[in-house]
Amino acid sequence: AQSVTQLDSQVPVFEEAPVELRCNYSSSVSVYLFWYVQYPNQGLQLLLKYLSGSTLVKGINGFEAEFNKSQTSFHLRKPSVHISDTAEYFCAVSPSQGAQKLVFGQGTRLTINP
Amino acid sequence: DAGITQSPRHKVTETGTPVTLRCHQTENHRYMYWYRQDPGHGLRLIHYSYGVKDTDKGEVSDGYSVSRSKTEDFLLTLESATSSQTSVYFCAINPGQGGTYEQYFGPGTRLTVT
Repeated sequence: AQSVTQLDSQVPVFEEAPVELRCNYSSSVSVYLFWYVQYPNQGLQLLLKYLSGSTLVKGINGFEAEFNKSQTSFHLRKPSVHISDTAEYFCAVSPSQGAQKLVFGQGTRLTINP
Repeated sequence: DAGITQSPRHKVTETGTPVTLRCHQTENHRYMYWYRQDPGHGLRLIHYSYGVKDTDKGEVSDGYSVSRSKTEDFLLTLESATSSQTSVYFCAINPGQGGTYEQYFGPGTRLTVT
């Protein structure tokens, strides 16, 4: 079985500042890793994914994440945030084989202050 | 746009009544999933389907049943709704082929059980 822990439930940041949202996972099998974003009153949108290869992955809207196998982490970063980045962010894992059922973290609410 | 619609988008029902939520996709993807979203829990998998009439349980399946008689439709039924099933329900699809491993989500159904 897999589990995901997002270490911060809320992260307030000033506009144009850098941000890091932390995600740790556990799994006994090989996994794929994802970050999703949910804007207010909307569904989930894929930000980026790690399947294999380079441990630094780039996604939409200037976000990137780094896979660290030894620390079982997949932290999300952005060098300079905008008001429009205000949303809830979810880290998720799925087994690399089979039905690829997603296991989500609890979510991190990112609030950008002017 | 992943071509996923959910109906209804909002529903209020009374404890003890049956409720059916519908997920419809236009792309004939193999895998379909039902999740529920609750504050502090992220999204949790209820049931999933890997083909017509092929379904399996997820993490929080008690009190829910599903059916898939056509590739494009995946129905979630609350057999006797309880207040603990008040939640936002999301349907997702995964093409399951062509190197696509991420899931795409519908807009959600907000269900309130009074």
